[in-house]
Amino acid sequence: EDQVTQSPEALRLQEGESSSLNCSYTVSGLRGLFWYRQDPGKGPEFLFTLYSAGEEKEKERLKATLTKKESFLHITAPKPEDSATYLCAVQAEEISSGSARQLTFGSGTQLTVLP
Amino acid sequence: EPEVTQTPSHQVTQMGQEVILRCVPISNHLYFYWYRQILGQKVEFLVSFYNNEISEKSEIFDDQFSVERPDGSNFTLKIRSTKLEDSAMYFCASGNGGTGTDTQYFGPGTRLTVL
Repeated sequence: EDQVTQSPEALRLQEGESSSLNCSYTVSGLRGLFWYRQDPGKGPEFLFTLYSAGEEKEKERLKATLTKKESFLHITAPKPEDSATYLCAVQAEEISSGSARQLTFGSGTQLTVLP
Repeated sequence: EPEVTQTPSHQVTQMGQEVILRCVPISNHLYFYWYRQILGQKVEFLVSFYNNEISEKSEIFDDQFSVERPDGSNFTLKIRSTKLEDSAMYFCASGNGGTGTDTQYFGPGTRLTVL
């Protein structure tokens, strides 16, 4: 069974204080690891997809990295508008060609950035 | 920018009633999904749909649930006889799938309240 564990559950940062969120996973053959941002009462908003160990992706103040067992979301000089819950999800390899594979989500890290 | 839309945004129903949640996926996507999120809990996979049939389903997706793509644009989730424990946010997602980017894009959700 695929599993995703995120830590910490909650994180409070001062504006400009950089930090990292962790996502540990076990999956029967990783097809992709996904990071999403979720604001209260909203749907998950796509941030990054990572496919193989060593891969890195960046977008503004966010940088996602991937190893064989975990992924990190690094937040550099965060601003209050970065406050949200950050979700990590994994997708296992296809069962058969064309199958629509599910995402398995972690519980998320609730990030609060104080001005 | 294309996005997934969902209606209604909030549905209140009595236990035992049937509800239909509606989604319009991104127009050129071929893979469709339903997830749910009970308040304060993880996003959970319900069902995926490709090529006019169910591709995968979770244990949650029992005989009370069904999905349909009645035309070229809509994707629906029906709950035949709602229970109190069906109260949750229901998210529709769509993706291109395939061997390239396999990102799933989520709609804003329908909040279902069962009384």
